[in-house]
Amino acid sequence: GQNIDQPTEMTATEGAIVQINCTYQTSGFNGLFWYQQHAGEAPTFLSYNVLDGLEEKGRFSSFLSRSKGYSYLLLKELQMKDSASYLCAVQDSNYQLIWGAGTKLIIKP
Amino acid sequence: TAGITQAPTSQILAAGRSMTLRCTQDMRHNAMYWYRQDLGLGLRLIHYSNTAGTTGKGEVPDGYSVSRANTDDFPLTLASAVPSQTSVYFCASSDSSGVGSLHFGNGTRLTVT
Repeated sequence: GQNIDQPTEMTATEGAIVQINCTYQTSGFNGLFWYQQHAGEAPTFLSYNVLDGLEEKGRFSSFLSRSKGYSYLLLKELQMKDSASYLCAVQDSNYQLIWGAGTKLIIKP
Repeated sequence: TAGITQAPTSQILAAGRSMTLRCTQDMRHNAMYWYRQDLGLGLRLIHYSNTAGTTGKGEVPDGYSVSRANTDDFPLTLASAVPSQTSVYFCASSDSSGVGSLHFGNGTRLTVT
């Protein structure tokens, strides 16, 4: 079956760096997405990786290793507004999105 | 502001009743999707439409139906609601089916009693 694994919850301190991991097993691969979802709100797009390596976008970076079925989202200079759930999703060979359950990130002052 | 509008925001529905969740987008996106989000689970695709006039079944289509009469509207109907359909429902769109990021509506929180 197809599976996306990410930690359920993580805690970090304001100003610090946090890495959220995502491992996947899917039928084919056509890209990996990260979304941010604040409580009670809609998910919003953060990043997209289809080739191996690091994609940097401001304070957020996303890394992909297709051979390892692994990605991470790196958040630097954490701010209180970064408290949210972070969703990992993989597009399979049919371009269907398979979603992880999300990682709830708690930022403490 | 361009985007996706869902209605209602929340609803309490008696089991056995029918209901239509509305979704309208003004971005002229070809592809539209309905997801449900339940605690501890990833988003699950209910139905999708790659273009106006076509629809397809997702991972959890039973008990739901959709139509896509035009580009902008993609309503989701529950013919006879059951408590297991209690969930948060998100409508989403993308400008190319299967490629590119999704734009989500703000969701409808449905409770079936």
